[in-house]
Order: sequence, then C-alpha cells, then structure tokens
Amino acid sequence: DADVTQTPRNRITKTGKRIMLECSQTKGHDRMYWYRQDPGLGLRLIYYSFDVKDINKGEISDGYSVSRQAQAKFSLSLESAIPNQTALYFCATSDPRDVAYEQYFGPGTRLTVT
Amino acid sequence: AQSVTQPDIHITVSEGASLELRCNYSYGATPYLFWYVQSPGQGLQLLLKYFSGDTLVQGIKGFEAEFKRSQSSFNLRKPSVHWSDAAEYFCAVAPSGGYNKLIFGAGTRLAVHP
Repeated sequence: DADVTQTPRNRITKTGKRIMLECSQTKGHDRMYWYRQDPGLGLRLIYYSFDVKDINKGEISDGYSVSRQAQAKFSLSLESAIPNQTALYFCATSDPRDVAYEQYFGPGTRLTVT
Repeated sequence: AQSVTQPDIHITVSEGASLELRCNYSYGATPYLFWYVQSPGQGLQLLLKYFSGDTLVQGIKGFEAEFKRSQSSFNLRKPSVHWSDAAEYFCAVAPSGGYNKLIFGAGTRLAVHP
C-alpha cells in the first residue's frame, strides 16, 4: 500500500462549489504539506502543518483552507471553487528528524473547476 | 527571496545519449538541494539530494548531480538515457537550518527519441 494517499484522484466541479481534497499517510510523519502544480510554474506551497496544532500558510493560501484532523490526515478545502483553481494538487509529508528535509509525495489529485 | 531556476522547459534527447538538466538557485547560504522526477500520471519521486559532504551525489536510476557553490548550480546528469526516463524533472531547494519547506523550479520536461 502507498505511504501517502490522496482522494479523490480526479474531480470535476463547478464554480462556486465547496470541495475537499483528502490526504492520509502511514509514514508516521508529523509534517504535512499541500502543493498545487501548474504547467510552467512547478509546485507551489499552499499550506503546511508541523503537527496537529500547528498550521501555516504557504505562498498561495488565498481561496484555500486546511484541517489537520490527526497526525495522519490533512485535508484541503476550496470554499468556493473558481476556474483558476484548476490544477494538480499534491500532498506531501516529512519527518522533522530528517536533517535532509526529504518530502514524500502522494499521487496527486487532478481538479477541474468549470 | 529564494528562488530556483530551471532554464530549459523542454529537452529532447535520443535514447542512449547523455543528459544534463540545469538548475540554478538563489540563496544566501548553502541550501539543501533535491531533484525529483514526475512520470506521467504519477506523483513526485526523489532522485537524489545534497545536504553536505561530497559535491557529486549519486541517485537512483543511474542519475547523478553535482553541487557547484561558485555557480549556485545543481545540475542533474545521466550518461545514457533510456526511453523510460521520459518525464518531468524538478529541482528543489530547502533553506538549511530552517523549516523544511521546499521551493521548486518550474520543471524540465524530457522527451526521449528512440
């Protein structure tokens, strides 16, 4: 089984709808991240969480919110989806004890907002 | 502000040819450096990383990268490309001594001709 899973893998939604993307991990890592990937822009950080009580905004948090329900679960919500939120979304985890800061990525969720 | 530049958006090589993907970063100190690969429809997989020691780093799948402090570069190389290497490659940096947040380059898409 994959260490970092994301659901759904694909989603099409309409403008104005609320949508939640979910991430679960079995790696036992405290740190979790949400990125979005757009062609030509690489991955950009939306939110990150260093533990259940510590949630921080990344560089592009506007229009998004997150919830860290447990060490293993980190959800990303779009309160009112808009077309320019169409992108590929990745969840990642890392171990704060890892001095090299390696992050482990889920398979991604492709979101289309029409 | 920290940034990562991958000058080549697309590269096409013939199978069996050598490969070099360029990465330059902007950061005051020596960051931790990473190369990730994203195969079509997949998440990101770590190829290799540098955080100290020998500036020539060996990774998986026959890849290597060399950290050159004087040039602020961390170029990825492979002596003989296989068709299965066709993918998108991302260079990323994490500020040393800080939080383990990654800053990604825009990516280089590699096509391999038979």
